Amino acid sequence: EAGVAQSPRYKIIEKRQSVAFWCNPISGHATLYWYQQILGQGPKLLIQFQNNGVVDDSQLPKDRFSAERLKGVDSTLKIQPAKLEDSAVYLCASSLGVVASEGEQFFGPGTRLTVL
Amino acid sequence: AQSVTQLGSHVSVSEGALVLLRCNYSSSVPPYLFWYVQYPNQGLQLLLKYTSAATLVKGINGFEAEFKKSETSFHLTKPSAHMSDAAEYFCAVRNPYTGTASKLTFGTGTRLQVTL
Repeated sequence: EAGVAQSPRYKIIEKRQSVAFWCNPISGHATLYWYQQILGQGPKLLIQFQNNGVVDDSQLPKDRFSAERLKGVDSTLKIQPAKLEDSAVYLCASSLGVVASEGEQFFGPGTRLTVL
Repeated sequence: AQSVTQLGSHVSVSEGALVLLRCNYSSSVPPYLFWYVQYPNQGLQLLLKYTSAATLVKGINGFEAEFKKSETSFHLTKPSAHMSDAAEYFCAVRNPYTGTASKLTFGTGTRLQVTL
């Protein structure tokens, strides 16, 4: 079974530029998550999708971050414009079920963003 | 709201020695608890999970953890460390009663170093 795919793996941009990350979840997984992992910290949930609807985006900085999941499969996370503090690893995860008991999350390798 | 606290950001053990990584949780309801491992430049991999069945949970690579409600703890152990166990370990908690909002809250991580 193929895992969660993410691209690019690494990205370096200057502040105020825009950047987009792509995630392809495990086939058939209804739930998709984007996490931000700052160096030395645990992952923090930015947004959770159930199929193509948003379940939780309470920690997404909506003035600069946006995410979409078209057709309930792939997802993109965008930052516009980027700030220095956005430097982090962005992890995508997916889970099979629509209830918490089925929620084992499988993680992709992440995209490491460096903002200069 | 739920949270986890991981005591010790860095732990160093000798190869063959006992591994003990500490995690304490805070939750208003009986939680689901998880341990994830992250190798350099990789995503998170699930080691084991507690979902209200047996309190002693066995995971992959010889790791196990015991849920102790009286101590609000979920410490991770392995009898004999291998060099390949060197990685970052994250404890995480989730509320099992929030339906589709199955958000994981992570600790800050413990970096395990294994020496010869």
